[in-house]
Amino acid sequence: GAGVSQSPSNKVTEKGKDVELRCDPISGHTALYWYRQSLGQGLEFLIYFQGNSAPDKSGLPSDRFSAERTGGSVSTLTIQRTQQEDSAVYLCASSLALQGRTEAFFGQGTRLTVV
Amino acid sequence: GNSVTQMEGPVTLSEEAFLTINCTYTATGYPSLFWYVQYPGEGLQLLLKATKADDKGSNKGFEATYRKETTSFHLEKGSVQVSDSAVYFCALSGYTGGFKTIFGAGTRLFVKA
Repeated sequence: GAGVSQSPSNKVTEKGKDVELRCDPISGHTALYWYRQSLGQGLEFLIYFQGNSAPDKSGLPSDRFSAERTGGSVSTLTIQRTQQEDSAVYLCASSLALQGRTEAFFGQGTRLTVV
Repeated sequence: GNSVTQMEGPVTLSEEAFLTINCTYTATGYPSLFWYVQYPGEGLQLLLKATKADDKGSNKGFEATYRKETTSFHLEKGSVQVSDSAVYFCALSGYTGGFKTIFGAGTRLFVKA
């Protein structure tokens, strides 16, 4: 596609339920990021995929959070047993990750509300 | 490890005022440097970038110069408009086994008419 696509754009879920957020990166981009942005706050790094390398999971806040990237393309972020503090906008970005071509392109985000 | 530090906000200016948002970084090697902007209710988008020392990135009247000697990439605009009100993020991308992008905390800018 022309840009990074995320779905759903909005998700309301009950506390304790599991949710899956999807990201379709720009075709050919080998790097993919997940960030979280709470209201009025900055970007919180969650996880980074680069090609076939092991993902950098250093930003995942707890073991309730996990992500996978299938076939080097689509990625799914899963949050198990959601809590109210998980409410935020979840942003996905992708990048060519080549020298001099490392800028990240962002999707519009998924706004998650846990009630 | 690599890191980015930018000035805390919010920054409030009157229209046509001069803007500077400071950004300094720590990185090994020669990272690329970026400014991203997030307008109210919108996603993040790249504003400008510089890929080597002394490069100047520019876009929409904004400029930033890659200063390796001071490890800085300050964002400037000579005359801000109300439409520039947004959150601005400084970022770097350096090779550490992959070109991972590191973001600063963001600086919120309010421009008053």
